[in-house]
Amino acid sequence: KNQVEQSPQSLIILEGKNCTLQCNYTVSPFSNLRWYKQDTGRGPVSLTIMTFSENTKSNGRYTATLDADTKQSSLHITASQLSDSASYICVVLTGGSYIPTFGRGTSLIVHP
Amino acid sequence: NAGVTQTPKFQVLKTGQSMTLQCAQDMNHNSMYWYRQDPGMGLRLIYYSASEGTTDKGEVPNGYNVSRLNKREFSLRLESAAPSQTSVYFCASSGGIVNQPQHFGDGTRLSIL
Repeated sequence: KNQVEQSPQSLIILEGKNCTLQCNYTVSPFSNLRWYKQDTGRGPVSLTIMTFSENTKSNGRYTATLDADTKQSSLHITASQLSDSASYICVVLTGGSYIPTFGRGTSLIVHP
Repeated sequence: NAGVTQTPKFQVLKTGQSMTLQCAQDMNHNSMYWYRQDPGMGLRLIYYSASEGTTDKGEVPNGYNVSRLNKREFSLRLESAAPSQTSVYFCASSGGIVNQPQHFGDGTRLSIL
């Protein structure tokens, strides 16, 4: 069964600090991996999309990495801001299927 | 630019009632999707429409029907609501179905008593 596991489940950091969120998946065959940010009460917003051949992709202070061999991805947030407080969701798409597998998300709280 | 608009934002139904959730996008996207999000679980795809005129089942289609009314609009219907369908429903759209980012609406919070 295709699965996407995210860690940690929740994380609290101080404003200005960096953090890294993890995503491990068992989806096969792999098509692409996406990271979304979801603010409380809002829909998810796309941060990055990476295909098999991409190792890293940045979007401002967000940098995602992908290791397709170990089936791991990470999302690094640099110089965190209060507005980064949200749930971060990892999503993996299977080749040949249009049904994505969503992780349960990491809840990030940034304190002043 | 409104993006993806969902109506209503909140709804309370009684078991057995029917209702239709509406979704419209103004980005000229080909593909549209309906998801549900339950506490402690990842989003799950209910139905999707890869292009105007086509619809396909997702991971959890039972108890739902969809209509791709035109390129802009994709509705989700609950024919006989059940308490297990209490959830937050999200509509999304994308330019293509494989490598294009999905743009989500802000959800419909549905409670079924």
